[in-house]
Amino acid sequence: NAGVTQTPKFQVLKTGQSMTLQCAQDMNHNSMYWYRQDPGMGLRLIYYSASEGTTDKGEVPNGYNVSRLNKREFSLRLESAAPSQTSVYFCASSEARYEQFFGPGTRLTVL
Amino acid sequence: KQEVTQIPAALSVPEGENLVLNCSFTDSAIYNLQWFRQDPGKGLTSLLLIQSSQREQTSGRLNASLDKSSGRSTLYIAASQPGDSATYLCAVKDGGGTSYGKLTFGQGTILTVHP
Repeated sequence: NAGVTQTPKFQVLKTGQSMTLQCAQDMNHNSMYWYRQDPGMGLRLIYYSASEGTTDKGEVPNGYNVSRLNKREFSLRLESAAPSQTSVYFCASSEARYEQFFGPGTRLTVL
Repeated sequence: KQEVTQIPAALSVPEGENLVLNCSFTDSAIYNLQWFRQDPGKGLTSLLLIQSSQREQTSGRLNASLDKSSGRSTLYIAASQPGDSATYLCAVKDGGGTSYGKLTFGQGTILTVHP
């Protein structure tokens, strides 16, 4: 039982490059989330998926897109990376509004 | 807009002390409150979840209380150990509307327990 897994663990991009962050959970949760963590700003919600087939914007969605591929997987895409997107990205999952479980994070640097 | 504040921002204590971390939130219409631990360079580990109808939850040396009407929660750590050193985060889940499932986090308390 791996919980929530994220790939890659680390990534360095140049401004304008694109990439997709992958997230998968094996707890059969309906809801999945993407957060970013920045010094002094705390954790902020980017997008979430309440259930398979639905996605909604969170607090800071600009510059990102998401795909809920199936019940297990929820990906986050940066189409044209900017230095302001340098951050640590966390994926989480939960059963509806219950306890959220987090992945280990992806550390992204945009030069 | 929900705002979550954690006090103190940092705390350093000798091993064996009992300590209290504080969390306050501005909108009392919450669904639940969750305490997390984050080690440097790592993800978040869930410690305790308190539903809005509950007053407290306990897990080992940890006890979390919730006073929803006053917008406060405390995390009590008994007999602290160096292994408890980490950042502790408080997060609230709002009660409804378009904020389904959204957690609002505090800035965290950095705890150092020295031998």
